[in-house]
Amino acid sequence: AQKITQTQPGMFVQEKEAVTLDCTYDTSDPSYGLFWYKQPSSGEMIFLIYQGSYDQQNATEGRYSLNFQKARKSANLVISASQLGDSAMYFCAMREGEWAGTALIFGKGTTLSVSS
Amino acid sequence: SAVISQKPSRDICQRGTSLTIQCQVDSQVTMMFWYRQQPGQSLTLIATANQGSEATYESGFVIDKFPISRPNLTFSTLTVSNMSPEDSSIYLCSVWGQESYGYTFGSGTRLTVV
Repeated sequence: AQKITQTQPGMFVQEKEAVTLDCTYDTSDPSYGLFWYKQPSSGEMIFLIYQGSYDQQNATEGRYSLNFQKARKSANLVISASQLGDSAMYFCAMREGEWAGTALIFGKGTTLSVSS
Repeated sequence: SAVISQKPSRDICQRGTSLTIQCQVDSQVTMMFWYRQQPGQSLTLIATANQGSEATYESGFVIDKFPISRPNLTFSTLTVSNMSPEDSSIYLCSVWGQESYGYTFGSGTRLTVV
């Protein structure tokens, strides 16, 4: 079974609008971390936001927020006020277990296209 | 967070040859990881590089094809051996340092095998 599922291969949004990128995860470990990364066409991986399984509040970082619904095992990324520079591939990833040094497991990604 | 220098950034190689990719970190880090990203696909973990011991490989990846070295806490190499066109991918190193929950990635190596 897939550990991280991103069901939207592509999303389209207009500048200044908000967009939600979906991510569901599967783990039986009570301790885990969820990450979102942005990968522009240049190929670099840019860290956006992190949510720990024990965090009570949804994470926010500037225009990025994570809608964490633990019971539904979902960790959707919300980008407010989209910009042309947000056009990129977005990956949801998970670290399982208490030890933060384990490798990340990635979803298949969602390509976001922002138009003017 | 750590800064990673990954080299080369891209290469075009003949089938049957080998390429060694280097990952240099500006601080000592506990864990280093190597990923492969095939065209249009997600990142797949190749192995975890441990300092002073053999790398731990994921299912589907073997040491003979992807030998890894980790001589110290700031440096690692991944070799792609006896290459075929199916090895054409982006290869990324990643590190985790105890100073934060963040994982940092190198800028990637775009490999094309002809």
